[in-house]
This record gives sequence, structure tokens and C-alpha cells, in this order.
Amino acid sequence: KNEVEQSPQNLTAQEGEFITINCSYSVGISALHWLQQHPGGGIVSLFMLSSGKKKHGRLIATINIQEKHSSLHITASHPRDSAVYICAVSNTGNQFYFGTGTSLTVIP
Amino acid sequence: DTAVSQTPKYLVTQMGNDKSIKCEQNLGHDTMYWYKQDSKKFLKIMFSYNNKELIINETVPNRFSPKSPDKAHLNLHINSLELGDSAVYFCASSRRGLAGADEQFFGPGTRLTVL
Repeated sequence: KNEVEQSPQNLTAQEGEFITINCSYSVGISALHWLQQHPGGGIVSLFMLSSGKKKHGRLIATINIQEKHSSLHITASHPRDSAVYICAVSNTGNQFYFGTGTSLTVIP
Repeated sequence: DTAVSQTPKYLVTQMGNDKSIKCEQNLGHDTMYWYKQDSKKFLKIMFSYNNKELIINETVPNRFSPKSPDKAHLNLHINSLELGDSAVYFCASSRRGLAGADEQFFGPGTRLTVL
């Protein structure tokens, strides 16, 4: 079993829809990271959080440390949001565990 | 200016060869990393390295070795390449190590194909 599980694996949405991607983890963490991998392959860090909630534009990330769960929300989705979203966790042991990613396609 | 750069972008080589991938960061970060993304797009950390400490993922074969001439560079050397080494390799950096929970900045990736 992977230390980090994401759901769903694939997601197709209509433009404008509210999107939620979930991440659960089974190890102790110092931080949780949400990454975006563009169709061209580049990886960008969207959020790093260890508690609460962060917002950047139309993206919101939340984490519940007690439940070992995080969600990434995209409001008013747009075709340019189409990408693979990857959840990862880091810990004080210098370990970094990745989820398998959620492939999002937003249709105009 | 590119924050984290890698060369080459594509590398095609024969089994058994030795090759290197170079990585440079101009962010003044203390820690650099190498990641491998396999054909199923699953990412896995290979190494994290700063001036004081090299952390190696125990699953990485010793044919892989990171070499850091200075804080801004972390090159990846691969000896005796095997078919299973074909993947995309990403370099990244952060201000501190993973334990410090810092944002990571990724390079564009190097697609290695072993024939």
C-alpha cells in the first residue's frame, strides 16, 4: 500500500465546475505538498501546508492533520487547469512520498 | 532566468553506457534533489543532498551517484545503464531540506531512453 493515496485517479469536468481532489496519507509528516504537472511534463509546486487552509487564486488546499487527509479544490475550472495533480508528503526523516496523481481534464 | 535547469532535455543511449545529467539552480537554495518518474508517471525520490548530508533512497541502485561540485549544482551519474533506467529524471531544490518543509522548485526534466 502506498504511503499516499489520491482519489480520483482520473477526473473530467465541464468548464466552470467546482473540482475536488482528495489525498490521504499514512505516515507522520512535516508538510504536505500539492504539485501540478503540465501536459508538457513540467512540475510546479502549488501549495505546501502543514495545517489549516491556503488559497491562491482559484485554488484552495486544506489539510486535516488528525484525519491525515488533504483536499485540493479548484473553483470555476478552466481548460488550462487540465493537468496531473500530485499530492506528496515530506517528513522529518527527509523522506518524500508521492501519490499516484490525479489526471484532470476540463472540457470547454 | 530559469530557476532550476537541467541538461540534456533528452538523452538516448545504449545499454551498458555511462551517462550524466546536469542540474543547476540559481535560487541560492541549500538542498537539491533527484527524482525519477517512471512510465506510469509515478514519482519517487532518489537523493536529497546539501553541503552536509546525502540522503539516499535505499531502493536506488549504486549505479546511480549524485555529484555536487558546489551548492548550485547536483549532477547525476549513471553507470552501466539498463533498460529499466528509462524514465524522466527531475532535479529540484529547496531552501532547506525536506525536514524543514520548504517549497520545492523543479527542473524541466530529462527524458532518458535506454535502448
